[in-house]
Amino acid sequence: KAGVTQTPRYLIKTRGQQVTLSCSPISGHRSVSWYQQTPGQGLQFLFEYFSETQRNKGNFPGRFSGRQFSNSRSEMNVSTLELGDSALYLCASSLGTVDNSPLHFGNGTRLTVT
Amino acid sequence: EDQVTQSPEALRLQEGESSSLNCSYTVSGLRGLFWYRQDPGKGPEFLFTLYSAGEEKEKERLKATLTKKESFLHITAPKPEDSATYLCAVMSGANSKLTFGKGITLSVRP
Repeated sequence: KAGVTQTPRYLIKTRGQQVTLSCSPISGHRSVSWYQQTPGQGLQFLFEYFSETQRNKGNFPGRFSGRQFSNSRSEMNVSTLELGDSALYLCASSLGTVDNSPLHFGNGTRLTVT
Repeated sequence: EDQVTQSPEALRLQEGESSSLNCSYTVSGLRGLFWYRQDPGKGPEFLFTLYSAGEEKEKERLKATLTKKESFLHITAPKPEDSATYLCAVMSGANSKLTFGKGITLSVRP
């Protein structure tokens, strides 16, 4: 069974630009979550989508947005990039039911903002 | 707000030297406590889920335990390939959000 796939693996952008990251979940998983990982803050929750609806959102500014498509694939967008947005962005998928199914992570997109 | 604290931040062991990693948590309504392993340049890899105090789970040289306030990841006779960052996370409420600790970086010397 294929794991969670994130593209691209690396991105270099300039301050003020915008970026779109893509995530394909494990087949059959309906929940997709996004996390930001930095050395100082660790892993921080961005948002979760389930059946194309945002189910939960973390404490990030409105510049961070996402969406989920009918095939459960998800995209995350960051507008007006700032230097502090440099991080590893991780996507995770799960069955998304109430059985506390574990999250399965992709290998992330490393975003560098210059 | 859910909080997770892991200690120590880093741990260096000799091959075969058993030890434990600690995860303390504060959460309202624990739905699950999760342990992940993360290798450099990769995403976290799921290890265990624990649901209630007293529960234990084992996988090869790893054993995870849970009390009402903390969880331990016991590593028995570690090998160099066990070197990684170990992350603890909790899930609460009616969604799939995980709150993570900052992780423990384990180095096992041959």
